[in-house]
Amino acid sequence: GQQLNQSPQSMFIQEGEDVSMNCTSSSIFNTWLWYKQDPGEGPVLLIALYKAGELTSNGRLTAQFGITRKDSFLNISASIPSDVGIYFCAGSVTYKYIFGTGTRLKVLA
Amino acid sequence: DAMVIQNPRYQVTQFGKPVTLSCSQTLNHNVMYWYQQKSSQAPKLLFHYYDKDFNNEADTPDNFQSRRPNTSFCFLDIRSPGLGDAAMYLCATSRRDIHTDTQYFGPGTRLTVL
Repeated sequence: GQQLNQSPQSMFIQEGEDVSMNCTSSSIFNTWLWYKQDPGEGPVLLIALYKAGELTSNGRLTAQFGITRKDSFLNISASIPSDVGIYFCAGSVTYKYIFGTGTRLKVLA
Repeated sequence: DAMVIQNPRYQVTQFGKPVTLSCSQTLNHNVMYWYQQKSSQAPKLLFHYYDKDFNNEADTPDNFQSRRPNTSFCFLDIRSPGLGDAAMYLCATSRRDIHTDTQYFGPGTRLTVL
């Protein structure tokens, strides 16, 4: 099925560093969602974006809905070891979601 | 707390032996989804229900079926599991709302096929 381009694919960072990842699409979306998935668990919703240009924060996480409606980014500030996991973006037009390929984040203490 | 619940969390079955995975939700969402996820790949949509309307993805094998007897429950039936069907199966829900469409996942069922 269709997938979104998500980058980077993986990253190692030091604890305390800021992290940035993004998703791009050739299609326009009405909604962007960002999830974090831990091993053996289901994805947990982090941030939901519903309007082009929207910037939303959730604690140390900030995400933006691109103005063209074809991209979104997620920033994590001052990373901590528990931020390790796989981050997925998902975009939708109606109620069917297209997922990004995932960014695997590893935080070095 | 309102949530998506999946049972069991771990399921072991034998090659060719039918298996049923269950999902329930207390969110009162009208859309329920089943995804298959392998090896940290992105979840792959198998099918979804919008209320009672069943929507199958074109590449979902016939071996996979689903039932939604009421708003709260949805089942995934694998009629003859093969080794390639070993995966994490994720149930998700969303409320059909053009302004605030948001999808929530359950914890998943890890299926092992022997």
